Amino acid sequence: DAGVTQSPTHLIKTRGQHVTLRCSPISGHKSVSWYQQVLGQGPQFIFQYYEKEERGRGNFPDRFSARQFPNYSSELNVNALLLGDSALYLCASSLELAGLTDTQYFGPGTRLTVL
Amino acid sequence: AQKVTQAQTEISVVEKEDVTLDCVYETRDTTYYLFWYKQPPSGELVFLIRRNSFDEQNEISGRYSWNFQKSTSSFNFTITASQVVDSAVYFCALSENYGGATNKLIFGTGTLLAVQP
Repeated sequence: DAGVTQSPTHLIKTRGQHVTLRCSPISGHKSVSWYQQVLGQGPQFIFQYYEKEERGRGNFPDRFSARQFPNYSSELNVNALLLGDSALYLCASSLELAGLTDTQYFGPGTRLTVL
Repeated sequence: AQKVTQAQTEISVVEKEDVTLDCVYETRDTTYYLFWYKQPPSGELVFLIRRNSFDEQNEISGRYSWNFQKSTSSFNFTITASQVVDSAVYFCALSENYGGATNKLIFGTGTLLAVQP
């Protein structure tokens, strides 16, 4: 079975631009989470979506937004890019059966560089 | 506040040595989950193990073993007879189940393990 897939692999943008990152979860997984990993740090939680509803949001500005589609894939959008947005963006999927904490499986990430 | 501390920033060992990666966590909840992930240079986080707060049994999987001690809030990871392929950044993470709501992972800063041939 295919794992979590993300596109694109790498992206270079300039300050002020907008970016859209995409994620397809493992088949059968209904929850998608997004994390930002700055070089030398652990991943930081951005969003979690389950059944197309936002279930949680980390401490990130409103420039960050996301959505989940009926097929459970997800997009992360970042507006007005700043140099500090340069990072590895990781998507994770999980089953999230009701009331249970499930394991999150990660994709290969999108490396975003903001110049 | 929930927090995960991995005090060892970098560890370097020679192949076949045993190595232990430390993880200390802080949480207010009685129900929580702990994880270890491996991040090789390719960047993808690879799931290694998950443990819930009610299961303090140690676990062994091949050369990997985990020691969970609630009394000291620690969840340490030992690699026996290390190999060059074990070289990676290892992350310990904490998850809290908000009654079926947000299940976010709180990561430590990671430990870079370098296994020399």
